[in-house]
Amino acid sequence: ETGVTQSPTHLIKTRGQQVTLRCSSQSGHNTVSWYQQALGQGPQFIFQYYREEENGRGNFPPRFSGLQFPNYSSELNVNALELDDSALYLCASSLKAGGYTDTQYFGPGTRLTVL
Amino acid sequence: DQQVKQNSPSLSVQEGRISILNCDYTNSMFDYFLWYKKYPAEGPTFLISISSIKDKNEDGRFTVFLNKSAKHLSLHIVPSQPGDSAVYFCAASGNEGGSQGNLIFGKGTKLSVKP
Repeated sequence: ETGVTQSPTHLIKTRGQQVTLRCSSQSGHNTVSWYQQALGQGPQFIFQYYREEENGRGNFPPRFSGLQFPNYSSELNVNALELDDSALYLCASSLKAGGYTDTQYFGPGTRLTVL
Repeated sequence: DQQVKQNSPSLSVQEGRISILNCDYTNSMFDYFLWYKKYPAEGPTFLISISSIKDKNEDGRFTVFLNKSAKHLSLHIVPSQPGDSAVYFCAASGNEGGSQGNLIFGKGTKLSVKP
């Protein structure tokens, strides 16, 4: 059973650019959540995808968008990057069944630096 | 306004002794609580959870206590080992009848276990 993987591990972008981060869910999981962890803070919920549809969103602007694919892998896209977007981006996968969501398992994260 | 608070940024404990990590929450709608631990350069790893219908859950050396009236939970590690040194995050979820939805995290407590 493979765990949650994310790519790339590190990324450097300049302000105004766009970025795409990728996540492969743990085998058997149908739900993926994305979190942003700024330095010295806990992870902050961005949004969740279930069966390719957005299933909840945190307090992030529309320039943060996502996709979930039929194989349950996922992308996080951020447009018009700002300096404050510099953070560790975490993906977590889980199994949602019968209206209940099981434990979320996290990937190692992508460290994004915006210059 | 922080809904999940970990007021101790750090904790140092001697090997073999008990580690007690504390967490307070403000939202009475939270009904599921989790602890994750995080090593540097890794994603958070699920440790233990508790539903609001319980006041204690135990898994090996780890026990989580929930005091709903005080909106307080704690994680006890007995006995503490040097490998337990990590950042511990408290997280809460709600409005899904005991299921995990969007996780709200505290800022974390860095535990150091000294040999």
